[in-house]
Amino acid sequence: DAGVIQSPRHEVTEMGQEVTLRCKPISGHDYLFWYRQTMMRGLELLIYFNNNVPIDDSGMPEDRFSAKMPNASFSTLKIQPSEPRDSAVYFCASTLSPRFRYFGPGTRLTVL
Amino acid sequence: QKEVEQDPGPLSVPEGAIVSLNCTYSNSAFQYFMWYRQYSRKGPELLMYTYSSGNKEDGRFTAQVDKSSKYISLFIRDSQPSDSATYLCAMSPNTDKLIFGTGTRLQVFP
Repeated sequence: DAGVIQSPRHEVTEMGQEVTLRCKPISGHDYLFWYRQTMMRGLELLIYFNNNVPIDDSGMPEDRFSAKMPNASFSTLKIQPSEPRDSAVYFCASTLSPRFRYFGPGTRLTVL
Repeated sequence: QKEVEQDPGPLSVPEGAIVSLNCTYSNSAFQYFMWYRQYSRKGPELLMYTYSSGNKEDGRFTAQVDKSSKYISLFIRDSQPSDSATYLCAMSPNTDKLIFGTGTRLQVFP
């Protein structure tokens, strides 16, 4: 099994630019989660989907963030416009059982 | 007050030492308790999982849950340099919600 796949692995962009992060969950998993990790705040849940439907987006920091899951094998997290305070590592995770998480390798985002 | 508290460390120990990592929590509804290990520049991976109170052992790793004290521990026996990582506790009530601690960084030196 290839595990959760995320792309890009690193992204450096300038303030104001649009950023799109991509995730392919483990085949057969019906939950998908987006997390953000920083030194100060640790792992924060941004949004999660069940069967491609957004269930809880209360962790999305503001309207600049949006996430979609058009099918069971693909999800995107978009930031528009990006700001320096968005710099973090963004993880996608998937699972069959909602009590567990299988994380991808993360996307390290730097906004200058 | 955060729902889950975890000392960030770093914790530095010599190879072969017994390591104790801990978390406290405030929500008595938590039923499922997990430890994740995160190597540098990698995603967290599930290490141990315990339901309700008690102990669970897996090789050199032992997870303990004390619900009366709202306290969980992970013990690593005969620690190895390859155990150097950040350890995150995580816990959940009987729902989709999973709350992570901020992680304790462990360094095992030869």
